[in-house]
Amino acid sequence: AQSVTQLGSHVSVSEGALVLLRCNYSSSVPPYLFWYVQYPNQGLQLLLKYTTGATLVKGINGFEAEFKKSETSFHLTKPSAHMSDAAEYFCAVSERGGSEKLVFGKGTKLTVNP
Amino acid sequence: EPEVTQTPSHQVTQMGQEVILRCVPISNHLYFYWYRQILGQKVEFLVSFYNNEISEKSEIFDDQFSVERPDGSNFTLKIRSTKLEDSAMYFCASSSRDPLEGGYTFGSGTRLTVV
Repeated sequence: AQSVTQLGSHVSVSEGALVLLRCNYSSSVPPYLFWYVQYPNQGLQLLLKYTTGATLVKGINGFEAEFKKSETSFHLTKPSAHMSDAAEYFCAVSERGGSEKLVFGKGTKLTVNP
Repeated sequence: EPEVTQTPSHQVTQMGQEVILRCVPISNHLYFYWYRQILGQKVEFLVSFYNNEISEKSEIFDDQFSVERPDGSNFTLKIRSTKLEDSAMYFCASSSRDPLEGGYTFGSGTRLTVV
């Protein structure tokens, strides 16, 4: 069965600092990988996804993530945090060639300090 | 930008009562989903719906739950007899032809509180 582990339920960074949110997955086959963001009182918004091809994926708002098969990781990064990045971030996985359902991690709440 | 709309945003109901959570997916989307998030826990898949029938459901989605697309625009989740443990945020989502390639569009959620 697939699973997703997000290390750190809370991450706090200073404005302008590097953002690194960690995601490791477990899957019997190379999966599809997603990062979603949830701003307060809003739904889940797709940040970026990896399905095939280049392993470094660029998303919206300056975020990017790299699929590392050997490490079963899909960490999310942003070079310089902005106050507006404060939100909860969810990593999700789906089985390639199988069910289209998403399996989510527990989420990481990002706080950006001025 | 097209949105998935969920109503109500908050609902409080008494244990044992029936609730219907409503969703209006994006108009040209073909795949529809319900997920839920119990406070402090992961977002969990409940059910997927395609071509007017359930295509997949989780263990959570027992006989107390049902889904319906009554009129070609709405997509509803019904809980027949609510339990305290049904208290959660319920998210509706929809997707176009290729849900994994395109990603889902989620609604803002309905927070259900069972008292």
